[in-house]
Amino acid sequence: AQSVTQPDIHITVSEGASLELRCNYSYGATPYLFWYVQSPGQGLQLLLKYFSGDTLVQGIKGFEAEFKRSQSSFNLRKPSVHWSDAAEYFCAVEGSSNTGKLIFGQGTTLQVKP
Amino acid sequence: GAVVSQHPSRVICKSGTSVKIECRSLDFQATTMFWYRQFPKQSLMLMATSNEGSKATYEQGVEKDKFLINHASLTLSTLTVTSAHPEDSSFYICSAAGHPNTEAFFGQGTRLTVV
Repeated sequence: AQSVTQPDIHITVSEGASLELRCNYSYGATPYLFWYVQSPGQGLQLLLKYFSGDTLVQGIKGFEAEFKRSQSSFNLRKPSVHWSDAAEYFCAVEGSSNTGKLIFGQGTTLQVKP
Repeated sequence: GAVVSQHPSRVICKSGTSVKIECRSLDFQATTMFWYRQFPKQSLMLMATSNEGSKATYEQGVEKDKFLINHASLTLSTLTVTSAHPEDSSFYICSAAGHPNTEAFFGQGTRLTVV
């Protein structure tokens, strides 16, 4: 069965520091992978997605993610974090091809220190 | 990107009553809509998948008689929480996917509080 693991429940970084949020997935075929951000009490905003092609994906707000098939990973990165990036981040895999049905990781809470 | 509107954003109801949540795709036709539930500080769990004009498919452990889903048109799906109890209090989020687009777009979510 497909699954997504985000090993880090909570991460704290200083403003201006670099960030990497980890995501590992389990899926038999080539996965469709997503990163979403959720501010408190809000819905989800798509940061970026990987369907195929270039394994380094650029997203909004300066985020990028790299798909590594050998490691079953899709880690999210940002070179310099801003205080407004503090939020909950979810990695997700599409459960079945071409359906839109998503399986989410547990989420990582990002706290940004001034 | 496509816009999905969810209404209401917040609702408080009395225990034993029913609550309806609407999910609308505003600028595209959604052949499939998904309903997720999110408990505080937890991830989103898929409750059910609904396809326009057919019965919803519920995930294991989700009571279909309690969480009624209707997807009567290509732009609207509704989730009705029947005979709500305090343990149904949660954040409910819908997403909608058009065909052949594989990406599903999320609504803003509905905070349900049952008192």
